[in-house]
Amino acid sequence: QLVEAGGGLVQPGGSLRLSCAASGGTFSSSWMNWVRQTPGKGPEWVAIIKPDGSEKSYVDSVKGRFTISRDNARNSLYLELSSLRAEDTAIYYCTTGWLGVWGQGTLVTVSS
Amino acid sequence: DIQMTQSPSAMSASVGDRVTITCRASQGISNNLAWFQQKPGKVPQRLIYAASSFQSGVPSRFSGSGSGTEFTLTINNLQPEDFATYYCLQHNSFPFTFGQGTRLDI
Repeated sequence: QLVEAGGGLVQPGGSLRLSCAASGGTFSSSWMNWVRQTPGKGPEWVAIIKPDGSEKSYVDSVKGRFTISRDNARNSLYLELSSLRAEDTAIYYCTTGWLGVWGQGTLVTVSS
Repeated sequence: DIQMTQSPSAMSASVGDRVTITCRASQGISNNLAWFQQKPGKVPQRLIYAASSFQSGVPSRFSGSGSGTEFTLTINNLQPEDFATYYCLQHNSFPFTFGQGTRLDI
């Protein structure tokens, strides 16, 4: 099970930290992703992190602004969002490696 | 980046029909493709992984095929609960990319 938290309303240019708590699986041996979806549109893959955290990859639109990280001792995944733009408004989902398991999502709204 | 072109973008069908959705990759992705179903207001659910392997609990009327650049999702004996939007996803290389979706109306 994956449970996201940390979403909310933030002004353009602001920052936010999302978290995802994992339970009931093998978190420490799993690649993990963040995927986002704007209501009414299709999902967009955002970032991925290797089980030991040594490899990360991002979609171009968030490179340099978002940072994915993990704490295997806490079974937790994180996404630091900075320099936020209106187009970052979406539901952010935590998912396992090849997107087999999804959390319920947390809504991020970027607006003044 | 690998582009995923999904067709059709929308379609209508009747209960009991067989429907086929196609996804084409802009370059070869082996069998690193998954299919997802998303109902309104719900989280996407993976139906098929590795192009043709069933996700646990998915009805057998769903099937996937293909390799390389062309893939299909087939739904046999369409049921009312299959009304949804379907997406393909390539996870062969970063960035992972989704198709634009197929909205299936019953």
